Amino acid sequence: QKEVEQNSGPLSVPEGAIASLNCTYSDRVSQSFFWYRQYSGKSPELIMSIYSNGDKEDGRFTAQLNKASQYVSLLIRDSQPSDSATYLCAVNYSGGSNYKLTFGKGTLLTVNP
Amino acid sequence: DVKVTQSSRYLVKRTGEKVFLECVQDMDHENMFWYRQDPGLGLRLIYFSYDVKMKEKGDIPEGYSVSREKKERFSLILESASTNQTSMYLCASITQPNQPQHFGDGTRLSIL
Repeated sequence: QKEVEQNSGPLSVPEGAIASLNCTYSDRVSQSFFWYRQYSGKSPELIMSIYSNGDKEDGRFTAQLNKASQYVSLLIRDSQPSDSATYLCAVNYSGGSNYKLTFGKGTLLTVNP
Repeated sequence: DVKVTQSSRYLVKRTGEKVFLECVQDMDHENMFWYRQDPGLGLRLIYFSYDVKMKEKGDIPEGYSVSREKKERFSLILESASTNQTSMYLCASITQPNQPQHFGDGTRLSIL
């Protein structure tokens, strides 16, 4: 059973701080990794994709991937109240039908003004 | 931008009814997915389709069926709705392996 584990949260940070969200996955042979943001009552929206080891930055968001440690993280710099949402980590496992994603259960982030 | 459209945002049905949830995508994607999302359980895959008339069971297919008669449309069918199928249902599509899935707005279904 391929698994994706996220820190369960909830995570609370003050406005302007760095929020750090973590995710581990069970299958070493994984190819692509995604972070989705989901506001309450809404559907998930993609915020970051990462495919190779290292850091990928997009505005205030940085995704970090370490395949040796089977670990992917999302850093949100200068956190804003509008960043308050549940963040889902998703992993695409190679082999078989590699169109499928396995999702973590999400981490609820609250940014306090 | 990819557009995935689900037919209803909110739906209320009665136990035993046959329920249809519709999903349409406008980007000629071959692969489409149906999930349900429940508090504490996360997103769980019900069924997916990799081509017209082709389907594969996901993790929780019991009590559901699907139909894909046209490439752009993927329907989820609750054959005889039960209260434990009250949930948020999400449709998604993807065109190539290793690419992210794009979600519709979701349907919040209540079975009374």
